[in-house]
Amino acid sequence: LAKTTQPISMDSYEGQEVNITCSHNNIATNDYITWYQQFPSQGPRFIIQGYKTKVTNEVASLFIPADRKSSTLSLPRVSLSDTAVYYCLVGGRNKLVFGAGTILRVKS
Amino acid sequence: SAVISQKPSRDICQRGTSLTIQCQVDSQVTMMFWYRQQPGQSLTLIATANQGSEATYESGFVIDKFPISRPNLTFSTLTVSNMSPEDSSIYLCSVERRDSSDTQYFGPGTRLTVL
Repeated sequence: LAKTTQPISMDSYEGQEVNITCSHNNIATNDYITWYQQFPSQGPRFIIQGYKTKVTNEVASLFIPADRKSSTLSLPRVSLSDTAVYYCLVGGRNKLVFGAGTILRVKS
Repeated sequence: SAVISQKPSRDICQRGTSLTIQCQVDSQVTMMFWYRQQPGQSLTLIATANQGSEATYESGFVIDKFPISRPNLTFSTLTVSNMSPEDSSIYLCSVERRDSSDTQYFGPGTRLTVL
């Protein structure tokens, strides 16, 4: 299973764009890259998933370079409510392995 | 996505007792999983709940301690047996539909405190 490496924490201010990069050097050919958000006392919430290039949805963008050894979650114009733990996961069917995650603190 | 509920949402239990946690999904799903999140830690997969057969446990987790049932495609239970304070954690179920992305969706979790 591919191991992921993310920054332990990041600080930002309201209205800024936040980019969280995840390294996954041993990603396998069939692995997808998935990001989750978790607030205290809640289950993780699916944010976005991709395989290659760029994926965008209503809350975030995911950038994946051609070698797929890393990925970047981009959150546009964050607000205080985006303060949470963000997990980057790579894996195939069924096997979600959670790393330590990145604690994002958004300040006013 | 899927709407997932868990019961109880939290409980405080005495050492040596057992607690059964229920996970209910609003639609049929192919896969159901159980995770544990210890205080201040990330999530760890306990087992995959297989419909109609025995659960598949991850390394470090055994059926005698965490028996799991999955009688149908929308419901599963996890029992934490013979509890000790080290079992104090949040227990989460997740579900997955067999589409092209195999995305997992998580329930709200059950916060367990063992005294």
